[in-house]
Amino acid sequence: GAGVSQSPSNKVTEKGKDVELRCDPISGHTALYWYRQSLGQGLEFLIYFQGNSAPDKSGLPSDRFSAERTGGSVSTLTIQRTQQEDSAVYLCASSLGFFLARHTDTQYFGPGTRLTVL
Amino acid sequence: KNEVEQSPQNLTAQEGEFITINCSYSVGISALHWLQQHPGGGIVSLFMLSSGKKKHGRLIATINIQEKHSSLHITASHPRDSAVYICAVPIQGAQKLVFGQGTRLTINP
Repeated sequence: GAGVSQSPSNKVTEKGKDVELRCDPISGHTALYWYRQSLGQGLEFLIYFQGNSAPDKSGLPSDRFSAERTGGSVSTLTIQRTQQEDSAVYLCASSLGFFLARHTDTQYFGPGTRLTVL
Repeated sequence: KNEVEQSPQNLTAQEGEFITINCSYSVGISALHWLQQHPGGGIVSLFMLSSGKKKHGRLIATINIQEKHSSLHITASHPRDSAVYICAVPIQGAQKLVFGQGTRLTINP
């Protein structure tokens, strides 16, 4: 079946503009994760959705970042008033999510969205 | 001190060599993930383990919960194994994963 897909694959925007990044998880996966990887840096956890539960937003780097997951499937990560330090690859992953908040299921990663803020 | 430490940061070896990458963590965990990031950026989950050892092909992952340490081994290494290998642990009681800084492995023919 289809894997995790993300769109767009690349996004170039001007400082101060808002951007929306989309993630389509694998069908049937209840857990969805957003990560960020800045150039030359390691992976940074942003936010995690489990089913219809309210996500823990404490990993989001600032209040300019928000994420939604509609109908327990597609997720959108929104960055308002983008800054140059937001430039990174934004990765989405999904898993079956059998174990609530234990993160012990195999995660399947999307190809990422490369965001460049000029 | 980071909650998850990997060593070495960089590793270059010749084809056929036995490779070991280490991951130490300082927090209580329920499981540990090993990920592989290809040069093109794609990430693949290799293992999730909570105890003992797992094997998949030429890859072996071990974990010692008491010592808070995990190792990833590659036998008969091949240039296509060249990638960044990342360990990640979920923080108990928190909806958060913490990643090691990654180990960049280069296998020369």
